[in-house]
Amino acid sequence: RKEVEQDPGPFNVPEGATVAFNCTYSNSASQSFFWYRQDCRKEPKLLMSVYSSGNEDGRFTAQLNRASQYISLLIRDSKLSDSATYLCVVTGYGNKLVFGAGTILRVKS
Amino acid sequence: DTGVSQDPRHKITKRGQNVTFRCDPISEHNRLYWYRQTLGQGPEFLTYFQNEAQLEKSRLLSDRFSAERPKGSFSTLEIQRTEQGDSAMYLCASSPRASGANVLTFGAGSRLTVL
Repeated sequence: RKEVEQDPGPFNVPEGATVAFNCTYSNSASQSFFWYRQDCRKEPKLLMSVYSSGNEDGRFTAQLNRASQYISLLIRDSKLSDSATYLCVVTGYGNKLVFGAGTILRVKS
Repeated sequence: DTGVSQDPRHKITKRGQNVTFRCDPISEHNRLYWYRQTLGQGPEFLTYFQNEAQLEKSRLLSDRFSAERPKGSFSTLEIQRTEQGDSAMYLCASSPRASGANVLTFGAGSRLTVL
């Protein structure tokens, strides 16, 4: 079983739609959680950290469920520029960051 | 310098040749990581340094791979006797804190193609 699992998608949504991605992780000792964004043929960049109480950054909302070992990302009012791969990231054994394979989002006009 | 620099950006080599990649992290960052990414996959951890000490190395990393960070600043990743399966994007990242999980800042990567 992979340490971090994501639905690869692609999610094809119209502009203005709300879309949600989910991610599950296997290491119950993980302490830190993140969403990274990766544009085609570019490096990953931090989108947001994920906190136990849930957190919001503009149109983006992240939530963590430690009991179910589940992380989510909600994007409201999707923009064309949101098209990218979204990588779920957790701390693994030895405290290194472990990346999921990513979920592809395509926002269409 | 405001980011992580990697060189070369692209490398094409023949099977059996050695290649070396260089990473210059953000200057005040003391942790440096190497990841490898293949098409359709997320970055896969290879190794990381805290200052000049190599603290962890993935068991997936064969003995053909070696990384150094001699003065705790830039790092090199060498692959000896390259194989076609080594073709990937090699990503370097750095982070500012000495302990705990950190936010990583990635470089643009070094793309390796082994013919």
